[in-house]
Amino acid sequence: QSALTQPPSASGSPGQSVTISCTGTSSDVGGYNYVSWFQQFPGKAPKLIIYEVIKRPSGVPDRFSGSKSGNTASLTVSGLQAEDEADYYCSSYAGSNNWVFGTGTKVTVL
Amino acid sequence: QVRLVESGGGVVQPGGSLRLSCAASGFSFNVRGMDWVRQPPGKGLEWVAFIQFDGSDKRYVDSVKGRFTISRDNSNNTLYLQMNDLRAEDTAVYYCVKDQANSWNFDYWGQGALVTVSS
Repeated sequence: QSALTQPPSASGSPGQSVTISCTGTSSDVGGYNYVSWFQQFPGKAPKLIIYEVIKRPSGVPDRFSGSKSGNTASLTVSGLQAEDEADYYCSSYAGSNNWVFGTGTKVTVL
Repeated sequence: QVRLVESGGGVVQPGGSLRLSCAASGFSFNVRGMDWVRQPPGKGLEWVAFIQFDGSDKRYVDSVKGRFTISRDNSNNTLYLQMNDLRAEDTAVYYCVKDQANSWNFDYWGQGALVTVSS
């Protein structure tokens, strides 16, 4: 039950793209297509923005996209906007009704 | 719309107990798995516990096994987390989280309840 590894921070200028990685093992990220990404603003609850690696809930802009290769999942935010400045967390199903979260990445819009 | 409202947070001394509740509405509570996820102040998210839709399966992160118990009352659409032998490292905001239908993802979160373990 070790946390998934994310970079502590990422940044980009408005209009640019930023990609956040989420590295786990073959027992979680690599073993299941149940990787989610959550956006969290200070003092607020997390919000689901990507699920099942690549799917977006209704209402989430298509600027947010997900992918996975082996034991590493990624979230890309294209056309970065000031409102995207937040903390981002990945999570993965780890089998037997267990889950694990990433360490979190703070995205700064320069 | 889906609504999850936690209650029962507060300050407790080390070794003490506390029970969190989560009132659910806006969806069929009795067919959906539920979880508790916590976040220590200024730190990341940690999955704490899961309960199957009918209570038949319960899972916990290693650090709370034997101390925390997740349960549910489907007749009252309420999720619970009984926390015993609390430690300073249990200090966190505890979120009630709904599992997504036909998937192993979380889709809706409550606003959170702060639990502070301190003497």
